[in-house]
Amino acid sequence: QKEVEQNSGPLSVPEGAIASLNCTYSDRGSQSFFWYRQYSGKSPELIMFIYSNGDKEDGRFTAQLNKASQYVSLLIRDSQPSDSATYLCAVRSAGKSTFGDGTTLTVKP
Amino acid sequence: DAGVTQSPTHLIKTRGQQVTLRCSPKSGHDTVSWYQQALGQGPQFIFQYYEEEERQRGNFPDRFSGHQYPNYSSELNVNALLLGDSALYLCASSLGLGTGVQYFGAGTRLSVL
Repeated sequence: QKEVEQNSGPLSVPEGAIASLNCTYSDRGSQSFFWYRQYSGKSPELIMFIYSNGDKEDGRFTAQLNKASQYVSLLIRDSQPSDSATYLCAVRSAGKSTFGDGTTLTVKP
Repeated sequence: DAGVTQSPTHLIKTRGQQVTLRCSPKSGHDTVSWYQQALGQGPQFIFQYYEEEERQRGNFPDRFSGHQYPNYSSELNVNALLLGDSALYLCASSLGLGTGVQYFGAGTRLSVL
């Protein structure tokens, strides 16, 4: 079992819809959780981070964390074609980050 | 505010050669982590430097080594290159060793022929 698991996708949604990306992790000692967006051939770009259980909203993005279930998700509202990318979930514990392999999202006009 | 900078952008080497990649952290950051990202996979943690010492290491052989300078910049060295070392090498900087946010540089694309 991988330490951080994501559905590889591809996930396809129409423009304007809500995209839901999910991530589970195995290390219960994990302390901080991150979502990065990576366009093809580019480096990861930080979108959101969350430390506490519950929801955290930033513009069109909402991160949700449930430590009891070892689950973190990212919702993208009003999805745009420019949101088409691979989304990486990262889990940080004692300074070390472990990444999932990413979910590829395609937003169709 | 300068972000994380990496050099070179691209590099082509042959098997058995050695390579050095460089990274300057974001202004105000003192910790540098290196990652290897193969095609279609997430970044894999190589090691982390803080106060000029390697603090944590991932599951990579001793062929991978690094250094951090007093100005917090860092180098990644890979000896005896293998074809499987071809990947995007990413540098990320953060403040301290805790759970803070990491920001990535643009990466160095290494091709081993």
